[in-house]
Amino acid sequence: DAGVIQSPRHEVTEMGQEVTLRCKPISGHDYLFWYRQTMMRGLELLIYFNNNVPIDDSGMPEDRFSAKMPNASFSTLKIQPSEPRDSAVYFCASSRYLYEQYFGPGTRLTVT
Amino acid sequence: ELKVEQNPLFLSMQEGKNYTIYCNYSTTSDRLYWYRQDPGKSLESLFVLLSNGAVKQEGRLMASLDTKARLSTLHITAAVHDLSATYFCAVDMEYNNNDMRFGAGTRLTVKP
Repeated sequence: DAGVIQSPRHEVTEMGQEVTLRCKPISGHDYLFWYRQTMMRGLELLIYFNNNVPIDDSGMPEDRFSAKMPNASFSTLKIQPSEPRDSAVYFCASSRYLYEQYFGPGTRLTVT
Repeated sequence: ELKVEQNPLFLSMQEGKNYTIYCNYSTTSDRLYWYRQDPGKSLESLFVLLSNGAVKQEGRLMASLDTKARLSTLHITAAVHDLSATYFCAVDMEYNNNDMRFGAGTRLTVKP
């Protein structure tokens, strides 16, 4: 298996623009997680899905952030409009049952 | 609410020395995990601990779990430079609202 795939790996955008991050989980995994990591705040769980249904989105910072999982093999995290404080590394992870998570390589987002 | 605390958050040690990282959690948990993150990289799973008294070892790292004390330890034996990384513990409670949390991470630096 190719592991968790994230795209793009790097994204540089201007404040106010819409940003869409993409994730393909490992086949057969029924949980998908979105995390954000910064030096100041560490690793934060934003939202996670079970069988494509959002279970806990309490970590989503504000309404500018939204996440979808239209099917078992694809998820998106959208930021609209983006702000400089959204600059971070965003990780997607998946697991079979609520178990050991496999992380993607991350997307490094820079908002200028 | 499930809370996970790690200490220390920063650890600098000499090669050849032993040390222990602690992970405390606030409520009864189903499972505990240890992950490693190298600088600029993603997280990778090290250990999965499933029951009270569980002990797992790989190389110079040994993890243990005491569910009664709600405590896990990651013991480092005769540290080498290659162990320099950030180590995270994580806890989940699949059968209690599907809650899961990561600790803040322990940044380990091993000096020659």
